[in-house]
Order: sequence, then C-alpha cells, then structure tokens
Amino acid sequence: DVKVTQSSRYLVKRTGEKVFLECVQDMDHENMFWYRQDPGLGLRLIYFSYDVKMKEKGDIPEGYSVSREKKERFSLILESASTNQTSMYLCASIIGGTGGIRGYTFGSGTRLTVV
Amino acid sequence: AQTVTQSQPEMSVQEAETVTLSCTYDTSESDYYLFWYKQPPSRQMILVIRQEAYKQQNATENRFSVNFQKAAKSFSLKISDSQLGDAAMYFCAYGSGGGADGLTFGKGTHLIIQP
Repeated sequence: DVKVTQSSRYLVKRTGEKVFLECVQDMDHENMFWYRQDPGLGLRLIYFSYDVKMKEKGDIPEGYSVSREKKERFSLILESASTNQTSMYLCASIIGGTGGIRGYTFGSGTRLTVV
Repeated sequence: AQTVTQSQPEMSVQEAETVTLSCTYDTSESDYYLFWYKQPPSRQMILVIRQEAYKQQNATENRFSVNFQKAAKSFSLKISDSQLGDAAMYFCAYGSGGGADGLTFGKGTHLIIQP
C-alpha cells in the first residue's frame, strides 16, 4: 500500500515563526496535495503539485507557499505563522493522469497550534 | 466551482441498524467521480467507497452502499448492520476528470453508534 507520511503529528509554533510541514510519499506518485481541515468546514485545498518544481494554488492559498524539490516530498510553508492558521493539515497523493479515480491516499495529519 | 453539501452535521444510530448519510453536489461536468471517506478519531482518512458518474449501477462495498442519483446530483451512503467501529466523521467528496486537480469535500457528518 502507498504510504504518505507527515513528519509531525502535533506542532506548536509562535506567531510570526516560519513553519515547515513535511510530507513524504513512497510510491512514486506524481500528484501531491495539501489540505486544511477545520471543524464545520471540511477539507479545503491549499496547494497541489503535478510534478517536481510545479505548484498550483488551491482554494485557500493565502498565507501559504509550497516546495517540491523531489518527487516524493511536498512541503507546506507558513512564511509568518498567525493564530488563524491553527488547524489540522492533511497531505495526500495520487498517481498522475487518472490516478484520482482510485481515490487519494492521505497522511495522518499534523495538528498545528499557533500561539 | 463545484460544491458538495452534507446537510447532516451529526447522525446517531443503534448498533446493528441501518443509517443513511446524505450528500448533494453541484457541477456542470459530465465526467466525474464521487467518494465517501471515513475519518475515525485516529485522523486517518480512509476511502470507503467510490462511484464513477458514467456508471448507472450503484457501488457497493460489503456493508456500505451508495444511492447515486445523477439527475438529482445526490450521492447518499447507506451503512447496514452498523458496528461500533463505524463511528467516525464521514466526508463526501467530488473529483472531476482524473481527479488531478484535487477533490472538493463536504463539511462532514459525525456518525455516532449507540451500543
């Protein structure tokens, strides 16, 4: 089975800090995604990537950036963390092309608290 | 833009009984896929079932089945013989084409199983 690993399960950061959330997948998937999950709002797409060094904005990209230097790794960056970015962050990946048809594989999430 | 609506924030069912979770969606596309994901307290998103829009037949996976009404843009999930392990958040999700641009999720339904 594909494994998507998020490096931290819980993270506490201070306002104004630069924060890196790391995601690694082990099955050579082309497409990777970052979602934000908030109670009552479901999952919302922040950024996604089709390939190395490629990135596309999702529905809520403001305040975030991403980096994909290697195919297996997709990083979400909070340039200057703010309290309204306190949330659960989920990474996912799929095979390129029609891979989404089979459903996405998700990591187990990083719960970020900004104080 | 596509939208996915889950109108039941919370549902409760007795163990061994049947429960139906509702989902409606809005799209102008003809080629798309629909999914139900389960998120237990462990936070791991688990694919429960998927439906291809071009298929008339409703998808079934063991105790889980869907009622897909394409004209009505409705995609409900039926869980038969509910078990304590079914307790979780359930998310309905929509993906167009190959799904490479990300999924659109509903806000979720919290399912409680009463012993």
